[in-house]
Amino acid sequence: DAGITQSPRHKVTETGTPVTLRCHQTENHRYMYWYRQDPGHGLRLIHYSYGVKDTDKGEVSDGYSVSRSKTEDFLLTLESATSSQTSVYFCATENTGSTNEQFFGPGTRLTVL
Amino acid sequence: AQKVTQAQTEISVVEKEDVTLDCVYETRDTTYYLFWYKQPPSGELVFLIRRNSFDEQNEISGRYSWNFQKSTSSFNFTITASQVVDSAVYFCALSEGVISSGSARQLTFGSGTQLTVLP
Repeated sequence: DAGITQSPRHKVTETGTPVTLRCHQTENHRYMYWYRQDPGHGLRLIHYSYGVKDTDKGEVSDGYSVSRSKTEDFLLTLESATSSQTSVYFCATENTGSTNEQFFGPGTRLTVL
Repeated sequence: AQKVTQAQTEISVVEKEDVTLDCVYETRDTTYYLFWYKQPPSGELVFLIRRNSFDEQNEISGRYSWNFQKSTSSFNFTITASQVVDSAVYFCALSEGVISSGSARQLTFGSGTQLTVLP
């Protein structure tokens, strides 16, 4: 398994505050993804990155931004958190020329009050 | 647009029973990949299998088997002689080639099936 860590693992915040979630990988994988998991929806793609400073939007990108200044780190920022962003967030990585397998981090549980 | 449907929201079986989890997908691509992931109560996502659209051979791995049928757009997962440790949420997912930017891929997940195996 790819070495993927997410921080924090749990966070409780208030509506309107900015929040940044970090994904760190040690495998030098090119592609990185942020998903959110909600009951009844499975996992949905928020943003993805195909290289340093190269990012694009996924299916549910509104209210989120991302940055990737180094291969190993992919940051997800909620500029002004809302209660609808209460969710479990998963980071994933994928290597170039891989078997299309995405490796997932342990997840971050975010609660917005 | 790609879509994955897991119509079974929850399934409950008694240990040692066989159970099949259904997955139906929609895609316009001729090249695509199908996946199953397991999410135990601890929350992590565990990769189980990947199948590409050109390989319709069924696969067996221990008590797990997968039946891929392009004619019905289905990729069903069977657990034989289920065990309590099989209790988890199981997700089917589809990767439809590449997204436009930099050859990244989007995994589209079904909503998951909660499997409970009772002792």
